[in-house]
Amino acid sequence: DAGITQSPRHKVTETGTPVTLRCHQTENHRYMYWYRQDPGHGLRLIHYSYGVKDTDKGEVSDGYSVSRSKTEDFLLTLESATSSQTSVYFCAISSGTESSYEQYFGPGTRLTVT
Amino acid sequence: AQSVAQPEDQVNVAEGNPLTVKCTYSVSGNPYLFWYVQYPNRGLQFLLKYITGDNLVKGSYGFEAEFNKSQTSFHLKKPSALVSDSALYFCAVRGAYNFNKFYFGSGTKLNVKP
Repeated sequence: DAGITQSPRHKVTETGTPVTLRCHQTENHRYMYWYRQDPGHGLRLIHYSYGVKDTDKGEVSDGYSVSRSKTEDFLLTLESATSSQTSVYFCAISSGTESSYEQYFGPGTRLTVT
Repeated sequence: AQSVAQPEDQVNVAEGNPLTVKCTYSVSGNPYLFWYVQYPNRGLQFLLKYITGDNLVKGSYGFEAEFNKSQTSFHLKKPSALVSDSALYFCAVRGAYNFNKFYFGSGTKLNVKP
């Protein structure tokens, strides 16, 4: 988890409220990702970023938006949280170079929507 | 389309015995394949990768993986399991068209009993 922090680590929120999760890296990696982890589904990509202000959708992007105004920060926003968004959210980073495509993950944020 | 399948939700093995965690993949072109491990309440940690070259890839903590192109498999192996290897293991493949997207399997829980 070195070099990647996520905040908050735990959050309980009510249906319909906006929620923002933050990912911060100190590795200066170009690529940043948001995944959600649910039992039986493994990790599913929500959004990713390939540079400052450059983002793209993943498999399960509906209901989520992202922003990246600085290399080190990648924000995930749930505009109006729903119970189906209760999950564990992981941020990941990658340098994206030919020799180093592997990803490095943050510690996760456990989000409960009641 | 690209995908990864981990056919076993759970693998049980006795300490000291060899272990295998199975992964099959589907992707166009040359596959870039990865194994990650997740300990309870932690993010995923990179174990090893196959990009090209030797079909037997060595990684962290004594793990290795065998790439088999004809069987489209990338099974994770270890000659002698430790109780501390008990964790959740994920196989992943890089996207065929978007090289910075990754697709994860649903995970295999490895239980190593003393």
